[in-house]
Amino acid sequence: AQSVAQPEDQVNVAEGNPLTVKCTYSVSGNPYLFWYVQYPNRGLQFLLKYITGDNLVKGSYGFEAEFNKSQTSFHLKKPSALVSDSALYFCAVRDTDDKIIFGKGTRLHILP
Amino acid sequence: DAGVIQSPRHEVTEMGQEVTLRCKPISGHDYLFWYRQTMMRGLELLIYFNNNVPIDDSGMPEDRFSAKMPNASFSTLKIQPSEPRDSAVYFCASSLSENSPLHFGNGTRLTVT
Repeated sequence: AQSVAQPEDQVNVAEGNPLTVKCTYSVSGNPYLFWYVQYPNRGLQFLLKYITGDNLVKGSYGFEAEFNKSQTSFHLKKPSALVSDSALYFCAVRDTDDKIIFGKGTRLHILP
Repeated sequence: DAGVIQSPRHEVTEMGQEVTLRCKPISGHDYLFWYRQTMMRGLELLIYFNNNVPIDDSGMPEDRFSAKMPNASFSTLKIQPSEPRDSAVYFCASSLSENSPLHFGNGTRLTVT
């Protein structure tokens, strides 16, 4: 079965600094990868996805993610963090039977 | 588009009672997913439907849980009888196709006392 791992429970970044939220995956075949964000008392919101094509994927709110096949990684990045980016971030992979499997989530704190 | 609509937003019930959670997916979406979120286990997929047909219910914890999708615009998740360990936030999500992003509702926070 496909899986994703988010090695960090929490990431702290100063406002204005670049941020990275890590994700590694394990798949058989071509990976379909996603990033979602969750704000308090809300459902998850889609940020971006990688299906095929360019390794650098651009998404909502200035976020981007880099697909790295050799390192089996799909890290989420943003050049300059905002306090409003503070939230819970989930990496996800589509399984071979169309199930979407989520990582455990990484809580991002942007410090003013 | 109103997005995925879940009701109720909050449900507090006593152990042993029946609980029914409701979901209206986005019109035209072929896939519907039910997830459960807890601090300990994160997001767990319970069951998903394709064109109203249950495809995989292997995530349903036990026979106390059941889900139905009688038509393309409505799904229910029922717990009977409920137990305190069922306390969680239950999310419904829909997607247009297998590679499309999921659109989540705002969830139902269930507390079983």
